[in-house]
Amino acid sequence: SQTIHQWPATLVQPVGSPLSLECTVEGTSNPNLYWYRQAAGRGLQLLFYSVGIGQISSEVPQNLSASRPQDRQFILSSKKLLLSDSGFYLCAWSVRRIADTQYFGPGTRLTVL
Amino acid sequence: SQELEQSPQSLIVQEGKNLTINCTSSKTLYGLYWYKQKYGEGLIFLMMLQKGGEEKSHEKITAKLDEKKQQSSLHITASQPSHAGIYLCGARGGSGGSNYKLTFGKGTLLTVNP
Repeated sequence: SQTIHQWPATLVQPVGSPLSLECTVEGTSNPNLYWYRQAAGRGLQLLFYSVGIGQISSEVPQNLSASRPQDRQFILSSKKLLLSDSGFYLCAWSVRRIADTQYFGPGTRLTVL
Repeated sequence: SQELEQSPQSLIVQEGKNLTINCTSSKTLYGLYWYKQKYGEGLIFLMMLQKGGEEKSHEKITAKLDEKKQQSSLHITASQPSHAGIYLCGARGGSGGSNYKLTFGKGTLLTVNP
């Protein structure tokens, strides 16, 4: 069966510091991968999605970037965090090349102080 | 862009009562997904509906899709404390196989009192 992991589970970072959140999927090959942010009062917002290694689509202009160095690994980064980057970050996967159901990871709670 | 409105925003029911959560789209629905989330955790997939009039059930949860009304409803029968959480609906932006993006409603917070 498929499993999706995210780490760290929680993170507290000062403004201006860098960020790296990691997501890995097990039990499937060539998945579509997604990064979402869930902020209070704003719902779930799609940040990036990837249909293959090195292929990243950005949905919202922001202070963040994403990379996919391996087939089942998706990384969310920032060079300098802003207060507004605080939130709950969720990674998800779906079957590649099909607009299929997305399955979510456990999430990372990021607090920027 | 597509927007999903969920109602009610929050709901408190007594254990054993039935309840319904609605999700209304501003545009045509090409696929409607229901998820459940416990606070601070990831989303758990419940059901997906694709065709108008489609109805699916899992245990005591039933979801229906009204394509003409661009609306879906989630009905829980004989609610239990384990049903408590945030219910989110998500919709795909188009009918093509490359339409990967999902737009989500803001969620309905369900509390079930024992």
